[in-house]
Amino acid sequence: EEELVESGGRLIQPGRSLRLSCAASGFTFNIYEMNWVRQAPGKGLEWISYISSNGNNVYYADSVKGRFTVSRDNAKNSLYLQMNNLRADDTALYYCARRGVGASIAFDIWGQGTMVTVSS
Amino acid sequence: DIQMTQSPSSLSASVGDRVTITCQASQDITKSLNWYQQKPGKAPSLLISAASDLEIGVPSRFSGSGSGTDYTLTIRSLQPEDFATYYCQQYDHNPLGVTFGPGTKVD
Repeated sequence: EEELVESGGRLIQPGRSLRLSCAASGFTFNIYEMNWVRQAPGKGLEWISYISSNGNNVYYADSVKGRFTVSRDNAKNSLYLQMNNLRADDTALYYCARRGVGASIAFDIWGQGTMVTVSS
Repeated sequence: DIQMTQSPSSLSASVGDRVTITCQASQDITKSLNWYQQKPGKAPSLLISAASDLEIGVPSRFSGSGSGTDYTLTIRSLQPEDFATYYCQQYDHNPLGVTFGPGTKVD
């Protein structure tokens, strides 16, 4: 079964750093582009980051640019999100999502999410 | 940046009803539009890609249509498991160009 499992979310103080992980299984991780999408409590979905299959290309939403860094380790079938200088408005459920094959940029596999709460 | 709107933001429906949700883009997105379903406490699930391509395993009562700036998700006969929030998502063929609509809650 194709699966993504996020981890690392917790309660953390503003200004601190946190690293999220996403473990992939059941598919050939190193051929897929990956993304992070977040959802603030009671709110909609916000795309925040993309990484190419080989990790050479990364993109960020303006809301996290300069503070968040996406990376991957294809040998470990893992995706990461390093979050620095966290703010209260970063409080959200963070999903990793696989971009499916094909011309459409569609997220066909999602993890269950990991919750990040930024509060003093 | 392309902005997405959805209407209605919520709707009340009954089992067996035909449900239509609309997504509008701020400019022509040439069918670069996907639909997701999200049930409470769960991750989103891809229903339809490229405006009208039903994902494998998605019931045929779901369908998508549209072009230009206006797109529609239709549920032909609402089933109990379809009560959820639905999001449209546009893409402009580069990884930065991904935007979700605000969602439509069907209850």
